[in-house]
Amino acid sequence: DAGITQSPRHKVTETGTPVTLRCHQTENHRYMYWYRQDPGHGLRLIHYSYGVKDTDKGEVSDGYSVSRSKTEDFLLTLESATSSQTSVYFCAISGQGAEAFFGQGTRLTVV
Amino acid sequence: QQQVKQSPQSLIVQKGGISIINCAYENTAFDYFPWYQQFPGKGPALLIAIRPDVSEKKEGRFTISFNKSAKQFSLHIMDSQPGDSATYFCAASKGSARQLTFGSGTQLTVLP
Repeated sequence: DAGITQSPRHKVTETGTPVTLRCHQTENHRYMYWYRQDPGHGLRLIHYSYGVKDTDKGEVSDGYSVSRSKTEDFLLTLESATSSQTSVYFCAISGQGAEAFFGQGTRLTVV
Repeated sequence: QQQVKQSPQSLIVQKGGISIINCAYENTAFDYFPWYQQFPGKGPALLIAIRPDVSEKKEGRFTISFNKSAKQFSLHIMDSQPGDSATYFCAASKGSARQLTFGSGTQLTVLP
């Protein structure tokens, strides 16, 4: 899977609790992305990073924050999880102008 | 606001038949159009991609047709096989970063 590891792979959490998902890459790629996948919507970009400490918002960024303190790690945080954030979350990486590779996904359920 | 529209939502094809999935986009700044294949429980994987300076790209049984003036592109799967049964997503992006805008997906079932 192109050297991408997402953790955890599954998580159940309660409404209002903070949640952090981790994406780790071994490819030294510049760009990292977080997407969420929901039925009928395909995949939608939450946030992306174009370098260490350089991040920007995507299409559905409300309620999410990200951090990238090292090239290899990109963290997605839900400050206060809501049921609408129940989804499958995918991390992706890409080099400059190159194709994007996706991780295996994290299934998050907020109850 | 859905910038990439994909159809059909689901498709059933007999083994050996041709599968055709269509996408239309709105943003003329898009300059990269990939198709991704996703199996259950897995992440999407790049299948084939095209840039708007060509009208067609073929890789094995998979072909992308691109119509820049109509802002449409399509995926053709020739000699469809049961192993092709998966969800297919079209996408588009612009610039050197691959911030992809995805279509809503097509669930393909190839009957044996």
